[in-house]
Amino acid sequence: QSALTQPRSVSGSPGQSVTISCTGTSSDVGGYNYVSWYQQHPGKAPKLMIYDVSKRPSGVPDRFSGSKSGNTASLTISGLQAEDEADYYCCSYAGSYTLGVFGGGTKLTVL
Amino acid sequence: EVQLVQSGAEVKKPGESLKISCKGSGYSFTSYWIGWVRQMPGKGLEWMGIIYPGDSDTRYSPSFQGQVTISADKSISTAYLQWSSLKASDTAMYYCARHLRGYSYDGNYYYYMDVWGKGTTVTVSS
Repeated sequence: QSALTQPRSVSGSPGQSVTISCTGTSSDVGGYNYVSWYQQHPGKAPKLMIYDVSKRPSGVPDRFSGSKSGNTASLTISGLQAEDEADYYCCSYAGSYTLGVFGGGTKLTVL
Repeated sequence: EVQLVQSGAEVKKPGESLKISCKGSGYSFTSYWIGWVRQMPGKGLEWMGIIYPGDSDTRYSPSFQGQVTISADKSISTAYLQWSSLKASDTAMYYCARHLRGYSYDGNYYYYMDVWGKGTTVTVSS
C-alpha cells in the first residue's frame, strides 16, 4: 500500500489560512470517509486533530477543519498562530487487509 | 487523565532481542485497542499493529507481520512491542497509542489514534 501524497511543506503568516492536501486513490481516501489528521511538534508525540474527515476531538480549536473531495482530503487551518507550526500527517482507512495508510507528512511554517 | 507511559530509551546491538512497554492509566485498559507506530529518523509515521487487551486479538500491518510481536498483560495494563533479532534498520522512535474504532460501511472496522505515549527511542548499532 503506497503512502498518501502530501506536500512536503506549506507556509503562511499569522492570521492567514493554509490548506494541506492529502491525495490518495479510490481504494483509500476516495473510497471511504475515514481520514484522520495528526499534528506533531518537533520532538513530541503526534496529536489527533481531525477524524472521520471533518470531526474534531474535544479540545481541538475550531480553527482546524477537515474536508474531502474525490481522492483528496484537506486540512485547513484558519487564523494561523505561531504554535501551529508543526508537521501534519493524514491517515486513511484502506480496506480490510491493512490497518490504514499514512501520508508522508507536511511541514507547516508560520512566517 | 488518560495516559500512556512508555519505557525508556534503549541501545542495542544487531541480533539482540528487545521488548519495550506502554502502560495505560485513567481508562479501562481492556476496552480499547492499543497499538504501535514507528517513526524512523527524519521520516513519517508507520502503523505497525494493534492489540485488544481484553482478548489479545492482534492485527499487524503487512509490512510488520512476522517482524515484531505485539502483546499485552491486562493484569498490569501494559502493552508490549518486541523483537527477537534486532537490525540496524529498526533504529527509530516507537510510539504507542490508544485506538478508537469505527464501523466501516464495507463491513470492517477502521481505527484512529486519540491518545499517544511520549515515545521510546530504540537505537541499534554495532
